[in-house]
Amino acid sequence: DAMVIQNPRYQVTQFGKPVTLSCSQTLNHNVMYWYQQKSSQAPKLLFHYYDKDFNNEADTPDNFQSRRPNTSFCFLDIRSPGLGDAAMYLCATSRDLAGGSEQYFGPGTRLTVT
Amino acid sequence: AQSVSQHNHHVILSEAASLELGCNYSYGGTVNLFWYVQYPGQHLQLLLKYFSGDPLVKGIKGFEAEFIKSKFSFNLRKPSVQWSDTAEYFCAVTTTSGTYKYIFGTGTRLKVLA
Repeated sequence: DAMVIQNPRYQVTQFGKPVTLSCSQTLNHNVMYWYQQKSSQAPKLLFHYYDKDFNNEADTPDNFQSRRPNTSFCFLDIRSPGLGDAAMYLCATSRDLAGGSEQYFGPGTRLTVT
Repeated sequence: AQSVSQHNHHVILSEAASLELGCNYSYGGTVNLFWYVQYPGQHLQLLLKYFSGDPLVKGIKGFEAEFIKSKFSFNLRKPSVQWSDTAEYFCAVTTTSGTYKYIFGTGTRLKVLA
């Protein structure tokens, strides 16, 4: 029944060592999002894909990249993780980009940087 | 820039107590409003949403929220909470013109004592 799946649920990486987080969806939604959520803070949108069109938020660091090889999968690549990148990373999907579109969230991947 | 404020960061209630969580947003135009809930160890899921029409919106599990345009508020209520309502609650806003993006509040952690 899981609709938005994130793997792994917990990821530990070393300072500066590239890491990739994975998200897949069974909803066949057009839009996939990546959020960063730090403790006691609101989820912060990093970027989204509408189909194959990539949209980066203006304040997303260059260290963060994303790939969407097909409708179902989307990846978040952190090229050189710093200690400040330790956070929960949430993947979400929506059918389209209309303001009223409900977003469906995955369980998140908690990233620890040592 | 649009923003969402949730002034209650932590709330502790006893079972059967009434709940009201505050949400205020800053945006002068037409908005869509959402409340999401995140139970311990689970993903964010939609509790209720407001697009237009009746400003009193009913959601799942006995929750409701009232949109008061003049106060830029969308407070969440439940007349009698249960232990199973222990969770984190997020208010989110999108605008109906321009941005589709969710602007999240910082969340309110609710603990219900049995």
